[in-house]
Parts: sequence; structure tokens; C-alpha cells
Amino acid sequence: QSALTQPPSASGSPGQSVTISCTGTSNDVGSYNYVSWYQQHPDKAPKLIIYEVNKRPSGVPDRFSGSKSGNTASLTVSGLQAEDEADYYCNSYAGSNNFVVFGGGTKLTVL
Amino acid sequence: QVRLQESGPGLVEPSQTLSLTCTVSGGSISIGGYFWSWVRQHPGKGLEWIGYIYYSGTTHYNPSLRSRLSMSVDTSENQFSLKLNSVTAADTAVYYCARVLSTADFDYWGQGTLVTVSS
Repeated sequence: QSALTQPPSASGSPGQSVTISCTGTSNDVGSYNYVSWYQQHPDKAPKLIIYEVNKRPSGVPDRFSGSKSGNTASLTVSGLQAEDEADYYCNSYAGSNNFVVFGGGTKLTVL
Repeated sequence: QVRLQESGPGLVEPSQTLSLTCTVSGGSISIGGYFWSWVRQHPGKGLEWIGYIYYSGTTHYNPSLRSRLSMSVDTSENQFSLKLNSVTAADTAVYYCARVLSTADFDYWGQGTLVTVSS
């Protein structure tokens, strides 16, 4: 069982927006602005797409955005494209005992 | 462009030690400011943080693996390594090495290496 809770699946049609949630606790997501999101295509390494809740690394389209409210972080993918179909994982800093916790992942399907 | 490459045996016998090395190119591991990490992914499952190490040798481990885990760094070779002892089939996974941007944001990843624990 993962420390952070994500829905197992999400879907949307091309051009639409979809939001994926990542729920933790006051020991991780709720206490630190160190939430990241990763995109993973089949048989590929994960790719960082959001860090520190809402920052995008260079080269990541602004269609990807992140936010946080309380113990829940969210990733929104706007203007869905076929290549956005992938698994998405969140993680969070969890303090000086556990350090890093991941969510179980969400499979995004572009219909 | 920083690149990471995992290397090590793809098959380990139960109760033995899993040993992997990550070679970093395109940037010095000694520059500082970054932790260097291992993350694994069980077949068809999600990501699990294993631990990370600083160039000085400071380590932080996943509490669930701490008793079996050891990480080291070789700045002269620009490498860092993982040793996980007393492995079982539950340790079968793709193992990734990655650079940590600040605390929990892994910005560069290796391609991953599948390690199977089996006799």
C-alpha cells in the first residue's frame, strides 16, 4: 500500500482537461511544498513534469500544472493529447524519518 | 546534459546481496547541491524510494529497507552504488538511479535495470 493515494485511472478526450489527485497526510503533502509529479510511458523511466507543487522543468509544456490544498495535491493536464497517455505518479517529501513517499500511480487514458 | 546509467547483475540468488552501480556523466557528482538516489519499481507496480546519498557520503534510507541497505559513493569514478542484502523474490524489480533536485524531486533518471531474484 502506497503512502500517497492516487486514483488508479483517469481519462479524457483529446483537447479536454483532466485532473489527477494525490492525497497524503499532514506528515507529508500537508506539511511541505515538495510535491512532484512524474510521467511514465511503458518501459520508460519516469520523467519529472512538476516539482515543488507547481513548478515545471524546462521543456515541459505549460499544459501540465500542479496545485495543492491541504493534504491533497493535484496535477491538471489541459488540452489533452494522445502522447499524454501514460502513468502518472506523485511523490512528496515526508520529513526526516521517511524522507520520500510515492503515490501508487494513475493510468491516464486519452479516449 | 546529465546522464545516469545503472549496471550490475540481472539475476541474484535468494539470500544473496544485490549490488548495483550508477555511473553519472555530463556532470560531477562532487559539485554538491544534489542527492543521488535509487528508486525501484516492482513488475507492473508503482515506484518505491530506496534511499539517497550525498557526495560527502551522507545517506538517508527508506525505513522499510534500512536494515538490509547500504549505499556508497565513489567521487573519483563519478559513481554511486547500492547494496541490498538478504534478498528475496520480493526484491525483484526494475532499479533506477536518479538525481534529486532538492528533496523529493528526481530530475534525471537512468534507463533502469531489471534485477530478478531467483535460484
